[in-house]
Amino acid sequence: EAGVAQSPRYKIIEKRQSVAFWCNPISGHATLYWYQQILGQGPKLLIQFQNNGVVDDSQLPKDRFSAERLKGVDSTLKIQPAKLEDSAVYLCASSKLRTRTGELFFGEGSRLTVL
Amino acid sequence: ELKVEQNPLFLSMQEGKNYTIYCNYSTTSDRLYWYRQDPGKSLESLFVLLSNGAVKQEGRLMASLDTKARLSTLHITAAVHDLSATYFCAVVNYGQNFVFGPGTRLSVLP
Repeated sequence: EAGVAQSPRYKIIEKRQSVAFWCNPISGHATLYWYQQILGQGPKLLIQFQNNGVVDDSQLPKDRFSAERLKGVDSTLKIQPAKLEDSAVYLCASSKLRTRTGELFFGEGSRLTVL
Repeated sequence: ELKVEQNPLFLSMQEGKNYTIYCNYSTTSDRLYWYRQDPGKSLESLFVLLSNGAVKQEGRLMASLDTKARLSTLHITAAVHDLSATYFCAVVNYGQNFVFGPGTRLSVLP
């Protein structure tokens, strides 16, 4: 079974530029999450989708971050304009609905450096 | 708001020694997860603890959950260098979101 795919793996941009990250979850996983992990910290939830609807985006800085999940499968996370403090790893995770364990499966992450 | 704490945040230990990492959380939850992260890598699931008193073991690692105390422990027995990594606990909140602790960075020295 293929895992969660993310791209690009690395991105370096200057502040005020824009960037987009892509995620393809594990096949059949209805729930998709985007997490931000700043160096030395635990992952922090940005947004949760169930199928193509948003379940929780309370911690998403909506003035600069946006996310969508097309047809309930792939998802993109966009940052525009980027700030220095957005430098982090952006992790995508997915899980099945109504499973006994409810485990999250993570992708390799997209590392963003804002100069 | 659910808060998850871990201690210690940094742990340096000798090979062959035993140690315990603690995970405390602030509100009721009946699901707790432990993940491992190697430098530059993503998070790998270690244990899923689904009920009070749950205990899971894999190799030199053993995790337990006490939902009444809102406490989980990750015990390391006879540590080896390969266990060097950052360990995160995560608790599920009312919205079915995972809230992660800050992580415990473990270094096992020869």
